[in-house]
Amino acid sequence: DVKVTQSSRYLVKRTGEKVFLECVQDMDHENMFWYRQDPGLGLRLIYFSYDVKMKEKGDIPEGYSVSREKKERFSLILESASTNQTSMYLCASGGVWGNTGEAFFGQGTRLTVV
Amino acid sequence: AQSVTQLGSHVSVSEGALVLLRCNYSSSVPPYLFWYVQYPNQGLQLLLKYTSAATLVKGINGFEAEFKKSETSFHLTKPSAHMSDAAEYFCASPLNFGNEKLTFGTGTRLTIIP
Repeated sequence: DVKVTQSSRYLVKRTGEKVFLECVQDMDHENMFWYRQDPGLGLRLIYFSYDVKMKEKGDIPEGYSVSREKKERFSLILESASTNQTSMYLCASGGVWGNTGEAFFGQGTRLTVV
Repeated sequence: AQSVTQLGSHVSVSEGALVLLRCNYSSSVPPYLFWYVQYPNQGLQLLLKYTSAATLVKGINGFEAEFKKSETSFHLTKPSAHMSDAAEYFCASPLNFGNEKLTFGTGTRLTIIP
């Protein structure tokens, strides 16, 4: 089975802190994604990476950056956490096209910024 | 702008009753359409997907969906609801060929009444 593992299920951080959310996949997928999930808004794409060191902005990249130094690992960085970044963050790997045919999701990290 | 729309943020059905969750896409025919399910405190799991091979798509756990071009719809159904179906359901699409980024609907929370 494909496994997408997010390093933390729950995080509480203070306003202004630099926050790292880590995601690892074990299926050698080229594509990896970070989504943010909020009630009534569904999932919104923050960043997308299609290869090591390659990234594209999604719909809501402001206040976030990403790092992909190795194929299996995709990190989301909140440079200076703010309360409006309190949310559920979901990592995914795979993709719609080619052999993968779908996006596989991690369990999510619920981040609270106080 | 192209989009995916889910009608009804909350749906309640009695155990054993028909489940109908609605999804409409914008007028340009999307290449693929997906239904994902999210159980409490979990990531998203693929239920089924439409890839233009057949308009009626069967998925896991007894769910199915029918692609109707004339109605721009891809509604999810299950003949008889089970308590274990209580979850949040998301419709999604890449909207364009070759696009790896999924656009999600806002989600429908399904409650099953015993």
